[in-house]
Amino acid sequence: DGGITQSPKYLFRKEGQNVTLSCEQNLNHDAMYWYRQDPGQGLRLIYYSQIVNDFQKGDIAEGYSVSREKKESFPLTVTSAQKNPTAFYLCASSFRTGNYGYTFGSGTRLTVV
Amino acid sequence: GENVEQHPSTLSVQEGDSAVIKCTYSDSASNYFPWYKQELGKRPQLIIDIRSNVGEKKDQRIAVTLNKTAKHFSLHITETQPEDSAVYFCAAKTAGNEKLTFGTGTRLTIIP
Repeated sequence: DGGITQSPKYLFRKEGQNVTLSCEQNLNHDAMYWYRQDPGQGLRLIYYSQIVNDFQKGDIAEGYSVSREKKESFPLTVTSAQKNPTAFYLCASSFRTGNYGYTFGSGTRLTVV
Repeated sequence: GENVEQHPSTLSVQEGDSAVIKCTYSDSASNYFPWYKQELGKRPQLIIDIRSNVGEKKDQRIAVTLNKTAKHFSLHITETQPEDSAVYFCAAKTAGNEKLTFGTGTRLTIIP
């Protein structure tokens, strides 16, 4: 997956459950990002982290939480407070400085059942 | 903060013809402009990018042009093929800010 791995590929959540989406990269990238994509829509930023042990809210952070304990890992937890979590979730990473694009993972499709 | 507008939202082109997608940005300090292609159900992939010290860049059938004065940049695909059908996103990065700001995407359909 080009050095950035998301798991699982498909995830089903029951009402009231918290679920955690995994994102791991071996590209030695400093920065990592989580995006949400709804059908036919663009990319909306949930959270991002530029260095270990630090992260910032994006445009739609409510109902989500993250941690960045290791440079390689940036897991996203979708909490029960997120009322409409069904979506395609994309993780990305990049170098912190310089003009480089993002490398995206292959995504996790989350469905509420 | 930066704002990126992308047009059109959908585009249908006869196979073999050219396709052009346009984006405008608001922050004159933006200096990096990548383009991503996303096929259905797949991840976005970087297809070409341009930095603010360059006016045009080409890679086979794909080219990107940048007009810093007007604050707009465009993706040009020539001799389109069915495999060019996808959603294309433009983005901009402002100097000193590591985040990319994405456009809303263009769904390109190549008609055989």
